[in-house]
Amino acid sequence: QQPVQSPQAVILREGEDAVINCSSSKALYSVHWYRQKHGEAPVFLMILLKGGEQKGHDKISASFNEKKQQSSLYLTASQLSYSGTYFCGTPSQAGTALIFGKGTTLSVSS
Amino acid sequence: NAGVTQTPKFQVLKTGQSMTLQCAQDMNHEYMSWYRQDPGMGLRLIHYSVGAGITDQGEVPNGYNVSRSTTEDFPLRLLSAAPSQTSVYFCASSYRGDSPLHFGNGTRLTVT
Repeated sequence: QQPVQSPQAVILREGEDAVINCSSSKALYSVHWYRQKHGEAPVFLMILLKGGEQKGHDKISASFNEKKQQSSLYLTASQLSYSGTYFCGTPSQAGTALIFGKGTTLSVSS
Repeated sequence: NAGVTQTPKFQVLKTGQSMTLQCAQDMNHEYMSWYRQDPGMGLRLIHYSVGAGITDQGEVPNGYNVSRSTTEDFPLRLLSAAPSQTSVYFCASSYRGDSPLHFGNGTRLTVT
């Protein structure tokens, strides 16, 4: 079942912060985050595992709340290079593939 | 390392034609998958494979066939192309089902 991402789009100025949420109707044991720049392939950012700590990648970090079945991606002091579409992915029922949300488009301007 | 290689990069088909999108990886990954990306729909899983000889359907498998005769290759076949299959197709591979995905550069397919 496809995870639900919110918001659909975010517009920021450089230096501002943003939060992207990803929620699922089923129990999760992991959440993936990917970023896709326009015209390119998605690129892996991080995996959040059940029972794991908050992860970070530059000034991008994420948390995972198993009880609420959701994950949040935090973009701090955004840079122009953060622009793109962010996808969360959750394991399929058998855990053999990844099911992605519809994505959140982030636009950062100077 | 080349990673995941998809060919062709662009393709235009007429309705009813068939074709195969190629995907190859050189990382010895067991897991491979195909996604299609349409505006506002995210990445939707078409088919996936957990090893040579083993394939399974994803979220949107209708109109597509796959096979996995080797660890390296995972081609996607369109049996009879339809305009609804106009999309960008991504192939991805991973070490395990829950490992980071490595994506190819995509194939942009237009069906007229």
